[in-house]
Amino acid sequence: AQSVTQPDIHITVSEGASLELRCNYSYGATPYLFWYVQSPGQGLQLLLKYFSGDTLVQGIKGFEAEFKRSQSSFNLRKPSVHWSDAAEYFCAVVGAGNMLTFGGGTRLMVKP
Amino acid sequence: DTAVSQTPKYLVTQMGNDKSIKCEQNLGHDTMYWYKQDSKKFLKIMFSYNNKELIINETVPNRFSPKSPDKAHLNLHINSLELGDSAVYFCASSQGHTGRGTEAFFGQGTRLTVV
Repeated sequence: AQSVTQPDIHITVSEGASLELRCNYSYGATPYLFWYVQSPGQGLQLLLKYFSGDTLVQGIKGFEAEFKRSQSSFNLRKPSVHWSDAAEYFCAVVGAGNMLTFGGGTRLMVKP
Repeated sequence: DTAVSQTPKYLVTQMGNDKSIKCEQNLGHDTMYWYKQDSKKFLKIMFSYNNKELIINETVPNRFSPKSPDKAHLNLHINSLELGDSAVYFCASSQGHTGRGTEAFFGQGTRLTVV
């Protein structure tokens, strides 16, 4: 069965610093991968997705992610974090039943 | 206009009660979902439904049942509520299954508290 691991439960970065959130997946076939963001008390918003083609994908709000098949990873990056980026970030893979399987999430805190 | 809307946003109820959460999407999507997010923020698929097919996560108790009066609505009925049902429930929709590469749009969630 497919699974997604986000090794970091919490990450704190200073405003203006770069960010990388890790995501590792387990899936037999070529995965469809997503990153979602959840602000406090809100639903999930899609940041970006990977299906095929260029392994570096650009998303909204200045985020990007790189698919590395050899490492089974899909890490999310941003060159300069803003205070408004503080939120919970979820990596997800489409698996059996064509449904999303989510990782446990990473809570990002931004220091002024 | 809100794309995927859920009501109520908060629901507090006693053990043993039966309750429903409503979900409506105005995106014209043909597939809708229910997800459960527990206190540790783990998100777990409960159901996937379109006009032709209901897919149930086998770990979901049969006290939970989705009901779709039409393509734009997928309500969640819960019978005999238990303390462990306390969670945030998210409705979502997509055009075709997410396995075809489409994005799922999420509602803002319903926080259910069973006391």
